Amino acid sequence: KNEVEQSPQNLTAQEGEFITINCSYSVGISALHWLQQHPGGGIVSLFMLSSGKKKHGRLIATINIQEKHSSLHITASHPRDSAVYICAVQGAQKLVFGQGTRLTINP
Amino acid sequence: NAGVTQTPKFRVLKTGQSMTLLCAQDMNHEYMYWYRQDPGMGLRLIHYSVGEGTTAKGEVPDGYNVSRLKKQNFLLGLESAAPSQTSVYFCASSYSTTGGLYGYTFGSGTRLTVV
Repeated sequence: KNEVEQSPQNLTAQEGEFITINCSYSVGISALHWLQQHPGGGIVSLFMLSSGKKKHGRLIATINIQEKHSSLHITASHPRDSAVYICAVQGAQKLVFGQGTRLTINP
Repeated sequence: NAGVTQTPKFRVLKTGQSMTLLCAQDMNHEYMYWYRQDPGMGLRLIHYSVGEGTTAKGEVPDGYNVSRLKKQNFLLGLESAAPSQTSVYFCASSYSTTGGLYGYTFGSGTRLTVV
């Protein structure tokens, strides 16, 4: 079993829909990161959080430390949100990555 | 622009050839990392450095060597490339191993094909 599991692996939605991507982890962590990777592109850090909730524009990230679970939400989704979203947890001296969720937003 | 710069962006090697990937950051970060990304496997840590002159092995270090002679540069070397090293390589940096206040900054990646 992977230490970091994301669901779903693939998600296709229509423009304007509310999107939720989930991340569950099985190890103790000091922080959790959400990353975005566009096709053929680099990796961009969206959020780093250790408790509660953070919001940036249409993106919201939440974490529940007791349940070892985090969610990334996208409100009013847009085709430019199409990307792979990666959850990574901060262990001792290294990040452990999930396999990513491929999101496609159709116009 | 501030950030992490990787060179080259693309490279095709023949089996047995050697090459060096360069990662440069201008944020005065202490910590630097090399990852490889393969389909269905997520990102895996190859080597990392906690400061100038230091290096350490990650999850998948075999077949790679690294050097950090200057704080801003982290080099990844392949002495004798193998087809199994075909991958996309990402460099990242951070203020601390926990990401610090500002998390990690990633480079744009190097797509390497070994034939």
